[in-house]
Amino acid sequence: AQSVTQLDSQVPVFEEAPVELRCNYSSSVSVYLFWYVQYPNQGLQLLLKYLSGSTLVESINGFEAEFNKSQTSFHLRKPSVHISDTAEYFCAVSEADKLIFGTGTRLQVFP
Amino acid sequence: SQTIHQWPATLVQPVGSPLSLECTVEGTSNPNLYWYRQAAGRGLQLLFYSVGIGQISSEVPQNLSASRPQDRQFILSSKKLLLSDSGFYLCAWSKGGSSYEQYFGPGTRLTVT
Repeated sequence: AQSVTQLDSQVPVFEEAPVELRCNYSSSVSVYLFWYVQYPNQGLQLLLKYLSGSTLVESINGFEAEFNKSQTSFHLRKPSVHISDTAEYFCAVSEADKLIFGTGTRLQVFP
Repeated sequence: SQTIHQWPATLVQPVGSPLSLECTVEGTSNPNLYWYRQAAGRGLQLLFYSVGIGQISSEVPQNLSASRPQDRQFILSSKKLLLSDSGFYLCAWSKGGSSYEQYFGPGTRLTVT
């Protein structure tokens, strides 16, 4: 069975600084990978996904993630964060009809 | 476009009372449907999922149950709530087949007192 590890439960960062949220998954077989964002008291929103093709995927609000098959990683990065990026971020990997989620990383952006 | 609804948005129930949470999806047919629970400060726990009417898979044995009486309706129930059932309940749908991304509803905040 798949598992997802998000080692950092919290990541504090100052506004306009770069950030990386780490995600590792357990299996090297063909998988689909996702990042979701959750704002307080809301549902999860799909941020970006890797299905196939280019290993670098981007979102419309400046986040990007790179699929690294040899390291079984899918880290999320943003070169310059904004206060509004403060949220919980979840990495997920596909397994049959389900998604396996990591435990989440709380990104806190300070002014 | 597709939309997903959950109600109620918030609920406060005493221990031992019954529970019914409803989720409906519009704008698609034969979706896969999912119920998750998110306890305070913790990640997502998949409770049930369904790939079709009457087909329910349970991920975690507990005092909750799920039903899918119609194609785009998914109901989470309990006969007697426990304090540990408190949490944020999220419903999600996906197209199924080779499409894995899930789309989430706004959630229901349940507090068992």
